[in-house]
Amino acid sequence: EAGVAQSPRYKIIEKRQSVAFWCNPISGHATLYWYQQILGQGPKLLIQFQNNGVVDDSQLPKDRFSAERLKGVDSTLKIQPAKLEDSAVYLCASTLQMNTEAFFGQGTRLTVV
Amino acid sequence: DAKTTQPTSMDCAEGRAANLPCNHSTISGNEYVYWYRQIHSQGPQYIIHGLKNNETNEMASLIITEDRKSSTLILPHATLRDTAVYYCIVRITNTGNQFYFGTGTSLTVIP
Repeated sequence: EAGVAQSPRYKIIEKRQSVAFWCNPISGHATLYWYQQILGQGPKLLIQFQNNGVVDDSQLPKDRFSAERLKGVDSTLKIQPAKLEDSAVYLCASTLQMNTEAFFGQGTRLTVV
Repeated sequence: DAKTTQPTSMDCAEGRAANLPCNHSTISGNEYVYWYRQIHSQGPQYIIHGLKNNETNEMASLIITEDRKSSTLILPHATLRDTAVYYCIVRITNTGNQFYFGTGTSLTVIP
């Protein structure tokens, strides 16, 4: 079974630039999550989708972050404009249904300089 | 906010059992305890989860106390590849299936 795919693997941008990350969850998984992991900390939930609808985006900094999952399959997370403190690993995860474990991708490491 | 408390770091000798504790004193009756681990530069990997009963799979065993206020993850024969950060997570099921991570325990398996 293919895992959660994320791209790019690494990205370096200057502050105030824009960046987008892509995630393709495991086939058939209805729930998709984006997490931000700052160095030395545990992953922090940014947004959760159920199919193409947003379940929880309470921790998403909506002034600069946006995410979509238009067809209920793959998803993109965008930062515009980026700040230095956005340097982190951005992890995507998916679950088949409620009460099942989440599978994580390898993440995208973003460095803002 | 994370609802669990774990030691920051632990060491374990290779071949010995690694016992990783977790306190979750405010756990609700319908909340599961999940364990994940994260090896350097990789995404978190699912290990095991449970509600009330002890659980065992090919990777580990999960022991949950009768009052459910704490649990222990047991890696029966630790190898060098088990060196990772281990996260204990209480899964909030009444608001849509989120997984909230704390800072975890950094386990180092020593040769």
